Amino acid sequence: EAGVAQSPRYKIIEKRQSVAFWCNPISGHATLYWYQQILGQGPKLLIQFQNNGVVDDSQLPKDRFSAERLKGVDSTLKIQPAKLEDSAVYLCASRPSRLAGARRYFGPGTRLTVL
Amino acid sequence: EDKVVQSPLSLVVHEGDTVTLNCSYEVTNFRSLLWYKQEKKAPTFLFMLTSSGIEKKSGRLSSILDKKELFSILNITATQTGDSAIYLCAVEAGAAGNKLTFGGGTRVLVKP
Repeated sequence: EAGVAQSPRYKIIEKRQSVAFWCNPISGHATLYWYQQILGQGPKLLIQFQNNGVVDDSQLPKDRFSAERLKGVDSTLKIQPAKLEDSAVYLCASRPSRLAGARRYFGPGTRLTVL
Repeated sequence: EDKVVQSPLSLVVHEGDTVTLNCSYEVTNFRSLLWYKQEKKAPTFLFMLTSSGIEKKSGRLSSILDKKELFSILNITATQTGDSAIYLCAVEAGAAGNKLTFGGGTRVLVKP
């Protein structure tokens, strides 16, 4: 079974620039998550999708972050404009469904550095 | 607000030593506790615990949950350099069971 795919793996941008990350979950997984992991901290949920609908985006800084999962499969997370404090690893995770048990399957992450 | 605290923040051991990692939590409507291992890549799943007092074991790793005292421990025996990683504890809670809150992680370094 192929795992969760993410790209790019690394990205360096200057503050005020825009950046986008892509995630393709495990085939058939209805639930998709984006997490932000700042160095030295645990992952923090940014947004959760169930198919193509948003379930929880309460911790997404909506003035600069946006995410979509238009066809209920892959997803894109965008930051516009980026700030220094956005430097982090952005992890995508998926799960068969909200009723499928707590385990999330994580992708390798995108390491973002904002200069 | 749900809270998950891991200790110690980091530790250094030598190969063959045993390590014990702690995870305490304060959440509303606890459902399960998960342990992940994170090297320089995706967090990989280790255990999911839902019942108190039942030890889960996988090779040299084991974990147990105490729902009365609200904590879990992860033990690694006969450590190897490949055990060097960040160990993350996460708790799923909430009425719908959708909310997963992570602790800050424990960084383990195993020296040869």
